[in-house]
Amino acid sequence: SQQGEEDPQALSIQEGENATMNCSYKTSINNLQWYRQNSGRGLVHLILIRSNEREKHSGRLRVTLDTSKKSSSLLITASRAADTASYFCATDPYGGATNKLIFGTGTLLAVQP
Amino acid sequence: DTAVSQTPKYLVTQMGNDKSIKCEQNLGHDTMYWYKQDSKKFLKIMFSYNNKELIINETVPNRFSPKSPDKAHLNLHINSLELGDSAVYFCASRSNGQGVKVGYNEQFFGPGTRLTVL
Repeated sequence: SQQGEEDPQALSIQEGENATMNCSYKTSINNLQWYRQNSGRGLVHLILIRSNEREKHSGRLRVTLDTSKKSSSLLITASRAADTASYFCATDPYGGATNKLIFGTGTLLAVQP
Repeated sequence: DTAVSQTPKYLVTQMGNDKSIKCEQNLGHDTMYWYKQDSKKFLKIMFSYNNKELIINETVPNRFSPKSPDKAHLNLHINSLELGDSAVYFCASRSNGQGVKVGYNEQFFGPGTRLTVL
């Protein structure tokens, strides 16, 4: 299976703490994206990091990418209860079919108020 | 205004029936997708259309037939529904990037259709 792996599968933290999620993938990529899915909703794009980038920030989000290890991490700083959701990484494979994304298995984040 | 909409939101039906799910996007995007998310939340691509042309067709039973009457719509028809078809089906769209400076790689998802086959 091409599907990426994420860990942890589930993470429970207190408001104000930082949350780190990791993603590993299997193929060379053009870019890697992170999405959030609230319960019963569709996925929402958070941030994209290209294969030639190592780190990217957007608000309280920080994403790193290590193409040599085929891994990425998503850090959410100063978490809030509203951050409770599932988080998915998705890779855009290099040389693959146009526009195809391969999603990871997801991390379920619970932020306790 | 809803960017990507799907109907119905919930669909409960008997095994063997035929059903359709509809998707519409008002973002002016050229590419649309169908994904299936199972009970473990694994999300897998099923089909992709670009300007009404099928460009991705994953290993999906031929009971599933997508149809794109125009680039703003992508429907999914499922024949002879089976218990294993129960899942949440998501439609998504993406710009091809022409004339778009940023964000054209991201996909915009609909709210999902929860299909339950009894």
